Amino acid sequence: KQEVTQIPAALSVPEGENLVLNCSFTDSAIYNLQWFRQDPGKGLTSLLLIQSSQREQTSGRLNASLDKSSGRSTLYIAASQPGDSATYLCAVRVDSNYQLIWGAGTKLIIKP
Amino acid sequence: DVKVTQSSRYLVKRTGEKVFLECVQDMDHENMFWYRQDPGLGLRLIYFSYDVKMKEKGDIPEGYSVSREKKERFSLILESASTNQTSMYLCASSISGTGGFNEQFFGPGTRLTVL
Repeated sequence: KQEVTQIPAALSVPEGENLVLNCSFTDSAIYNLQWFRQDPGKGLTSLLLIQSSQREQTSGRLNASLDKSSGRSTLYIAASQPGDSATYLCAVRVDSNYQLIWGAGTKLIIKP
Repeated sequence: DVKVTQSSRYLVKRTGEKVFLECVQDMDHENMFWYRQDPGLGLRLIYFSYDVKMKEKGDIPEGYSVSREKKERFSLILESASTNQTSMYLCASSISGTGGFNEQFFGPGTRLTVL
């Protein structure tokens, strides 16, 4: 059974730092992996989707990598800003019915 | 941009009431999903639909039903609301296809409180 883990559960860093969020999964047979951002009390915003055949995706200051063989993905945030403060979730699609298996998220706080 | 809208941001209902949560997407997506999110439990899938009039149970379907009469609209129904259904409800949609590019897009969520 696929399990998705995000460590750490919370992270606090000063503004301007580059940082890495981690996502690991137990079964390498995935269709894709998606990173989301959630602000308190709000819905989820899709940040990046990496297909199983891809190694990385980039959007602005965000870069997501995927290593299926080791069951890991990282979300790299460059030059962090207070507006990046949110909970970041990763999820993997594992079968043909489009369901996602979710991590519990990492709560990120960027200190001004 | 994909837009997923939900009928209410906040809703307060009484125990035993029938509750309808509506979700509409404007990108002609085949797949639609209903989740609930609770502290410490994360996101859990209630139901999903991959076509009009089609539905599949997710992980926690008990106490819920769904309706998809039109492609753009997916409704979640609480037949008789209970206090343990107090939660944040999130709707999502995605395209179909086997290419692994089925990005899920979410609505803003409905915070439901059952008294």
